[in-house]
Amino acid sequence: EVQLLESGGGLVQPGGSLRLSCTASGFSFSSYVMTWVRQAPGKGLEWVADISASGYSKYYADSVKGRFTVSRDNSKSTLYLEMNSLRAEDTALYYCAKRMSGSSWSHWDCWGQGTLVTVSS
Amino acid sequence: QTVVTQEPSFSVSPGGTVTLTCGLSSGSVSTNYSPSWYQQTPGQAPRTLIYSTNTRSSGVPDRFSGSILGNKAALIITGAQADDESDYYCVLYMGSGISLFGGGTKLTVL
Repeated sequence: EVQLLESGGGLVQPGGSLRLSCTASGFSFSSYVMTWVRQAPGKGLEWVADISASGYSKYYADSVKGRFTVSRDNSKSTLYLEMNSLRAEDTALYYCAKRMSGSSWSHWDCWGQGTLVTVSS
Repeated sequence: QTVVTQEPSFSVSPGGTVTLTCGLSSGSVSTNYSPSWYQQTPGQAPRTLIYSTNTRSSGVPDRFSGSILGNKAALIITGAQADDESDYYCVLYMGSGISLFGGGTKLTVL
């Protein structure tokens, strides 16, 4: 069974940092593009970042570019999101998602349950 | 700044048909944007309904279909049921690794 399990969320002060993890199982992790998507409380979904299967190519939403870094460790089947200079507007439930193929244009066919990040003093 | 547009809310009667649309603030949506649709109920992760404009994801009932209507992508629900009451999001692939979500449509079945 394909599964994604996020962790690392919590309460952090504005300007602080946090690293999220997403542990994958049930599929060949190193073959697929992976994505972070977030959802602020009561709001819609927002694409945050994609990383290619090899980890070489990374793409970011303008709202997080320069502050967030996506990475992956294929030997551990784990996806990461390093978040720096956090702002109140980064408060959200962060989902990791698996794309159906090795292309960023393909859809997501598996989602985790999310990890909550709260940025507040 | 390109924005993906969706109706904020829509209402449909049980058994009725509803068409939700997904447009662009500038320009037309085509199959090149590889439109996909996701359903989300409160407290749950999104579920994939339609991808590549009109391909149903595994296990999705055939009352859900996708197409391009005019200059927008469309999600058509035929014979709406009570448990179709959810939020629906479209996603467009903008190229260069960038994907954009629409703001979502809250569908009420009553």
